[in-house]
Amino acid sequence: ELKVEQNPLFLSMQEGKNYTIYCNYSTTSDRLYWYRQDPGKSLESLFVLLSNGAVKQEGRLMASLDTKARLSTLHITAAVHDLSATYFCAVDNTGNQFYFGTGTSLTVIP
Amino acid sequence: EAQVTQNPRYLITVTGKKLTVTCSQNMNHEYMSWYRQDPGLGLRQIYYSMNVEVTDKGDVPEGYKVSRKEKRNFPLILESPSPNQTSLYFCASSFFTYNSPLHFGNGTRLTVT
Repeated sequence: ELKVEQNPLFLSMQEGKNYTIYCNYSTTSDRLYWYRQDPGKSLESLFVLLSNGAVKQEGRLMASLDTKARLSTLHITAAVHDLSATYFCAVDNTGNQFYFGTGTSLTVIP
Repeated sequence: EAQVTQNPRYLITVTGKKLTVTCSQNMNHEYMSWYRQDPGLGLRQIYYSMNVEVTDKGDVPEGYKVSRKEKRNFPLILESPSPNQTSLYFCASSFFTYNSPLHFGNGTRLTVT
């Protein structure tokens, strides 16, 4: 069974600071997804990473994928309050079954 | 507007009373799937479907059924709900290509007493 671990589970950071969320997975996969969930809301797609070394950036968020280390990172630059949300990474093993991490609850404080 | 529509948004029921949660998408997606979200466990896949009449079990299928008679609809059926199925449920769909992310519905919060 494919396992996906995220850390930290909870993150409280000050506005303007940088931080990284880590996503480790247990078996070979070269497709990794990042989603954002606002409180009481659904999930929305942030990034799709499709190969080793893939890097994608959108605003203050940058995601990368190292398939050899089975590791993806979501880097937050100069955090702002609007980034407060829960972030999930997900891996699929065949294109059919998706495995999600437990999520990282991010709170950005002034 | 492109969307995945789930109904109902909230549902309270009693143990053993059959229920169906509907899911419909208007994006002509081949792939549809159901997840449950529980605190501390993230999202776990219940069932998925790669096309009409093609369904398969995900990680936690026990106690659930699905059907895919039409491309746009993928209902989740609980024949005899139990309290351990109290959860937040999401339906999602996507094109069946490697670069296609999942599009999620708004969720159904189910309470079984």
